[in-house]
Amino acid sequence: EAQVTQNPRYLITVTGKKLTVTCSQNMNHEYMSWYRQDPGLGLRQIYYSMNVEVTDKGDVPEGYKVSRKEKRNFPLILESPSPNQTSLYFCASSPINSPLHFGNGTRLTVT
Amino acid sequence: KQEVTQIPAALSVPEGENLVLNCSFTDSAIYNLQWFRQDPGKGLTSLLLIQSSQREQTSGRLNASLDKSSGRSTLYIAASQPGDSATYLCAVRQTSYDKVIFGPGTSLSVIP
Repeated sequence: EAQVTQNPRYLITVTGKKLTVTCSQNMNHEYMSWYRQDPGLGLRQIYYSMNVEVTDKGDVPEGYKVSRKEKRNFPLILESPSPNQTSLYFCASSPINSPLHFGNGTRLTVT
Repeated sequence: KQEVTQIPAALSVPEGENLVLNCSFTDSAIYNLQWFRQDPGKGLTSLLLIQSSQREQTSGRLNASLDKSSGRSTLYIAASQPGDSATYLCAVRQTSYDKVIFGPGTSLSVIP
């Protein structure tokens, strides 16, 4: 089944403790991206990648890192999480200039 | 900087009505525009994607149009049903840097 898989679905952590949210797609898509969704602010793009070893900043990249070492994986790394990074995170992928396919989301709480 | 807006923010209609959701964007340099629905606490489901060279796309009871020169897209839902209740989001993919910008969404409630 074609899908975008995010893990974990729920994560509660403390300020400053490094964490990684994984994203994997099995559709051989070139484009992958991360978003955060906050009440009143909607969905905002954090980072995106056009292909292996190519990443670019979205609108809200501060406090996040990504890597694209393999085509199927695009992990989101929070080196030192803070409470203002508490949010619902989505990963998405697509072929170039084609519909985005979204994962089921990761709800992150930073205390 | 690209800005995407959606009107109305919320809409409540009786079952069976035809309805129109609006999406506006400020920069016409886009590859495509995509419409999604999102159920509470859930992920995004793609409904329709319109390429910048296209005028409209249809899927079942849904029809989306795009007027790139005026920066507008509409999503038409025919014969609405309670199962259509959700938040509807539009998103544009820009030609510059391939960024994706979402609108704030329209919350739709279809009353049986």
